[in-house]
Amino acid sequence: EDQVTQSPEALRLQEGESSSLNCSYTVSGLRGLFWYRQDPGKGPEFLFTLYSAGEEKEKERLKATLTKKESFLHITAPKPEDSATYLCAVHPTGHNTDKLIFGTGTRLQVFP
Amino acid sequence: DSGVTQTPKHLITATGQRVTLRCSPRSGDLSVYWYQQSLDQGLQFLIQYYNGEERAKGNILERFSAQQFPDLHSELNLSSLELGDSALYFCASSETGYPYEQYFGPGTRLTVT
Repeated sequence: EDQVTQSPEALRLQEGESSSLNCSYTVSGLRGLFWYRQDPGKGPEFLFTLYSAGEEKEKERLKATLTKKESFLHITAPKPEDSATYLCAVHPTGHNTDKLIFGTGTRLQVFP
Repeated sequence: DSGVTQTPKHLITATGQRVTLRCSPRSGDLSVYWYQQSLDQGLQFLIQYYNGEERAKGNILERFSAQQFPDLHSELNLSSLELGDSALYFCASSETGYPYEQYFGPGTRLTVT
């Protein structure tokens, strides 16, 4: 069964303290892996798409990487405004799989 | 602002009732996706429509149905509502039939009492 697991569930960082969020996945084949940011009570906001192992994408303080079994979202020198829940999703290959499978997210809090 | 609009923002209704949630995709996007997000289950894919046709189905209950109209807006109909249907319902859209770079609306918060 296709599955996405994110860790940790919650992360508290001091402003400027860099860290990484993990997304591990179990799928028969991977068409793409996606990162989203979600603020409380709002819709997820698209961040990155990664398609193949070794690929990296960057946006401001965020950098996403992909291996054959997992993806990392690295946050460099975070600021309080980076506080949000970060969701990972995969688009698996196979029959009737034009859909994303989401992990339950990592809730990030950055304190000044 | 993602360009995806959803109405209403909030909906409070009683068990057994029926409600309709509406979504307008971003201009030019042909696909619409519906998701349910509850505290204990995260974001669950319900159904996708592409250019008016159902394309993919997820964990959608038989009491729920959806459609996409010729102007590409979509409606999600929830009937015989139960307390457990209380959740945030999101609509997302993408340009193609593949779920790449989905843009989410602000959601409809449904409370069933």
